[in-house]
Amino acid sequence: SQQGEEDPQALSIQEGENATMNCSYKTSINNLQWYRQNSGRGLVHLILIRSNEREKHSGRLRVTLDTSKKSSSLLITASRAADTASYFCATDGRGGGNKLTFGTGTQLKVEL
Amino acid sequence: NAGVTQTPKFQVLKTGQSMTLQCAQDMNHEYMSWYRQDPGMGLRLIHYSVGAGITDQGEVPNGYNVSRSTTEDFPLRLLSAAPSQTSVYFCASSRESDSSYNEQFFGPGTRLTVL
Repeated sequence: SQQGEEDPQALSIQEGENATMNCSYKTSINNLQWYRQNSGRGLVHLILIRSNEREKHSGRLRVTLDTSKKSSSLLITASRAADTASYFCATDGRGGGNKLTFGTGTQLKVEL
Repeated sequence: NAGVTQTPKFQVLKTGQSMTLQCAQDMNHEYMSWYRQDPGMGLRLIHYSVGAGITDQGEVPNGYNVSRSTTEDFPLRLLSAAPSQTSVYFCASSRESDSSYNEQFFGPGTRLTVL
């Protein structure tokens, strides 16, 4: 079963605009991670936010986490064509360990 | 470091054939896992290992076997391929097996088609 569901499924924006994608999950977590996947490639880790954190920044990325709503958002500011990719959230379980459950992903297209 | 490597990149099988997908990592990571990725379904965990000699099932283990004889290698075996196993397979590893605060490193994937 899918723990995370991303919204929207697809997003198309112009270069320089901000892109926001959302993730909802079902059970309690220790942390939530975001990954990027370029077409035909493996996933690359972007950022991890712990359950006791509300916001985290990394370069042009800003992640928020609302555990009461079981949701997270990923904001990419000043987007570039190179940001075109699929973005996935992944959650662990309260039981700990490395088992991640991935959402279905948001396909982001940044046009020149 | 080569990171996580997977072979082959592409494979076509006939129904009933068996094969092994290879995965290796050179980062001395404890935890390794196999996922399959199907359109519109994200990644689903097939099997995982928390160290050499220790493996366990994930969400979709049927039709697949794994073993972990060394820290570096984690092959995935398809026993009798079925069209439902047509997918892209990703191997991943992370440093520690008992902490969820580790990023996972992914290989480039194997695209498998079963006819």
